[in-house]
Amino acid sequence: DAKTTQPPSMDCAEGRAANLPCNHSTISGNEYVYWYRQIHSQGPQYIIHGLKNNETNEMASLIITEDRKSSTLILPHATLRDTAVYYCIVRVENNFNKFYFGSGTKLNVKP
Amino acid sequence: DVKVTQSSRYLVKRTGEKVFLECVQDMDHENMFWYRQDPGLGLRLIYFSYDVKMKEKGDIPEGYSVSREKKERFSLILESASTNQTSMYLCASSLPGAGANVLTFGAGSRLTVL
Repeated sequence: DAKTTQPPSMDCAEGRAANLPCNHSTISGNEYVYWYRQIHSQGPQYIIHGLKNNETNEMASLIITEDRKSSTLILPHATLRDTAVYYCIVRVENNFNKFYFGSGTKLNVKP
Repeated sequence: DVKVTQSSRYLVKRTGEKVFLECVQDMDHENMFWYRQDPGLGLRLIYFSYDVKMKEKGDIPEGYSVSREKKERFSLILESASTNQTSMYLCASSLPGAGANVLTFGAGSRLTVL
């Protein structure tokens, strides 16, 4: 799996969009970008994933650059409940082997 | 709603005790995983299973074993608990194929070994 780099922490004002970046410069053509988050004292939660095109679901949007070397997770209207550690993971779609979680980005949503 | 249920939220055990952590999923997922999470170290994979009676070592299998006798249940066993196994243990499951990387996690089991 390709390595990812994320900032250790970010702040966001409540009600504003939270944009969480992730660098994955060594990503291969068949690797997807996955995002998870972990709210304190809970298990991680799947958010969204994509290959090339931008993706949107009820939780977030995923913007992947044309060269696929970086991506941004967007929470359009952050709430206090979005305070969590966000993990960006890159891997081949049907690979169940050794799913690695890095250190992630701690998003602090402030009132 | 997809559910992964871990039997105990909090456990306190003594050094040398045998510890069983149970995990049950109700979505007929083939893949199941056990992670431990420690401050500053992130999530580390202990064992995973892609089918009944199948198991594969993760990154840190030493001191642990697993059992998957039924598709819905994946148990983590600490044969002789030690203080360095004090940690948060997370179970997860996923489908095979295209859904393999969409993991559903349980709430976690916080184990303290005295």
